[in-house]
Amino acid sequence: GAGVSQSPSNKVTEKGKDVELRCDPISGHTALYWYRQSLGQGLEFLIYFQGNSAPDKSGLPSDRFSAERTGGSVSTLTIQRTQQEDSAVYLCASSLAMGGGFAYEQYFGPGTRLTVT
Amino acid sequence: AQKVTQAQTEISVVEKEDVTLDCVYETRDTTYYLFWYKQPPSGELVFLIRRNSFDEQNEISGRYSWNFQKSTSSFNFTITASQVVDSAVYFCALSVGRDDKIIFGKGTRLHILP
Repeated sequence: GAGVSQSPSNKVTEKGKDVELRCDPISGHTALYWYRQSLGQGLEFLIYFQGNSAPDKSGLPSDRFSAERTGGSVSTLTIQRTQQEDSAVYLCASSLAMGGGFAYEQYFGPGTRLTVT
Repeated sequence: AQKVTQAQTEISVVEKEDVTLDCVYETRDTTYYLFWYKQPPSGELVFLIRRNSFDEQNEISGRYSWNFQKSTSSFNFTITASQVVDSAVYFCALSVGRDDKIIFGKGTRLHILP
């Protein structure tokens, strides 16, 4: 079946411009996550959604970062006034659910490689 | 606070050797889940295993095995008779029952040399 898809796969942008990264989760998955992976680094949690709600936004690096999810499906991560330190691979994952004392495995998309010049 | 430590940054072994990737976790919660993910050179993370804190039985899946020891807060991953296709970055992760985040370790880059 279809996995998690992300677009674009690569994005090069100039410093100061805004970018939008899109994630399309696996159908039926209510939980959706965004992570950032810098070169050679681990995964940095950014935000997650349960349905359309984002209970925990504490991972967002600054107020230039925002995310939304509509219809319990597609999510968009927006970075305003991009900086060079925002360059990284942005990974999206989805799972059947989250919370309630049980953790389902996450299925990851291929990521969006963002380069800010 | 929750934390996952993968002390081995990079490991290189010759094909057919066995290799163990270490994972040590920290949490005060009694209900938690541990995961291993594989990130091959293509970049897409692949789920390998989930283990809950109440199940300390070791698990074997083909050439892969996992050793969960609550006494040492470790969840180590062993690949037997390694193959070149096992070359990847492997991440250990932790989720506690009352929280909704999954905390990832920094990963171990495994090179299997032909």
